[in-house]
Amino acid sequence: NAGVTQTPKFRILKIGQSMTLQCTQDMNHNYMYWYRQDPGMGLKLIYYSVGAGITDKGEVPNGYNVSRSTTEDFPLRLELAAPSQTSVYFCASSYATGGAGNTIYFGEGSWLTVV
Amino acid sequence: AQSVAQPEDQVNVAEGNPLTVKCTYSVSGNPYLFWYVQYPNRGLQFLLKYITGDNLVKGSYGFEAEFNKSQTSFHLKKPSALVSDSALYFCAVRDITGTASKLTFGTGTRLQVTL
Repeated sequence: NAGVTQTPKFRILKIGQSMTLQCTQDMNHNYMYWYRQDPGMGLKLIYYSVGAGITDKGEVPNGYNVSRSTTEDFPLRLELAAPSQTSVYFCASSYATGGAGNTIYFGEGSWLTVV
Repeated sequence: AQSVAQPEDQVNVAEGNPLTVKCTYSVSGNPYLFWYVQYPNRGLQFLLKYITGDNLVKGSYGFEAEFNKSQTSFHLKKPSALVSDSALYFCAVRDITGTASKLTFGTGTRLQVTL
């Protein structure tokens, strides 16, 4: 039972480079999310999606883009990487039906350093 | 806007002693509250949640949480702490505004259990 799978686990980027963090889930969840975690700041929502073809901004979307072409996949694109994007990134997913009581399940995280 | 506060950055407890990790919340409607645990270099693991009903919620690994509506609190508890419980704990509240039910996290509390 894979759950939410993120790749890569670790990555070092140079300033100005671009990259894509991959996320896939095998639980047939409609909702998918990207969060970033900074020390002492908790988790902040970057983008989310309620289904294939539908995405929306969270609290901290600047410098990122997403797409949702399938139910399973929700990649996060970093354009023109900046040191402020050094963080741990978490992909997550949940069911849509059942309302707010649904549990959100997280991937293992992607550690990104921009130098 | 809905929010969660975790007033303690760190909680220290001796193994075998009871532990409490505090969380208070602010919501406009009914609260949907969650606790997650994060071990070093790992993703967030779901512990327990409060949706409705009994104010004492039991979860994974012997943890429980007490919902107190008058004090707007949802403290995490365990009767007897283990060294292996040492981790980062996050309280979260479900935000059901908009088209997706997103989690808003507290800043986290580091639990250190010593022998």
